[in-house]
Amino acid sequence: AQSVTQPDIHITVSEGASLELRCNYSYGATPYLFWYVQSPGQGLQLLLKYFSGDTLVQGIKGFEAEFKRSQSSFNLRKPSVHWSDAAEYFCAVAPPTGGFKTIFGAGTRLFVKA
Amino acid sequence: DGGITQSPKYLFRKEGQNVTLSCEQNLNHDAMYWYRQDPGQGLRLIYYSQIVNDFQKGDIAEGYSVSREKKESFPLTVTSAQKNPTAFYLCASAKGGGRGDEQFFGPGTRLTVL
Repeated sequence: AQSVTQPDIHITVSEGASLELRCNYSYGATPYLFWYVQSPGQGLQLLLKYFSGDTLVQGIKGFEAEFKRSQSSFNLRKPSVHWSDAAEYFCAVAPPTGGFKTIFGAGTRLFVKA
Repeated sequence: DGGITQSPKYLFRKEGQNVTLSCEQNLNHDAMYWYRQDPGQGLRLIYYSQIVNDFQKGDIAEGYSVSREKKESFPLTVTSAQKNPTAFYLCASAKGGGRGDEQFFGPGTRLTVL
């Protein structure tokens, strides 16, 4: 079955430290891959997406993600975290063919300590 | 400014009552979606519509109903048949509903059953 796994329910990093949020997917072919961010009590905002081309994708707010086909992963990174990055982050996939549904991971909540 | 609006922000319902959540977009998007968000479960698709007067069930449609009479509007009714309706509800839209399309989210409605 198609699935998206975010292994970390929550992560705490110090302000200024680097960040990596993990995402693994299970699909027969390379799907469309997305990272969204959600501030408390708000809707989701797209950070970046990937389907083909360069496997390192740049997004908004200084985030980037790297697609690794061999590991079925699409990890999100940021070199230096700011307190305003505290939020919940969702990895999502959409199939390259067939149905139109986007499947979301369970999310990783990021806490930033001063 | 273009965007998606959801109302109300907070909604309280007595058991046995139907309630309708509003979702309006002025982005001229064809596709619209309703998701339910529960802690630790990410987003689960309730219904989606790719064109006016047409909609499809998502993964958890039981106890919910929708209509899509206008391109701009996609209201969700939570019926008394929904056994556990307390949750955060998110509406989203996408330009063409294609698999790679970014979804734009509203701010959400928090429904509480008393």
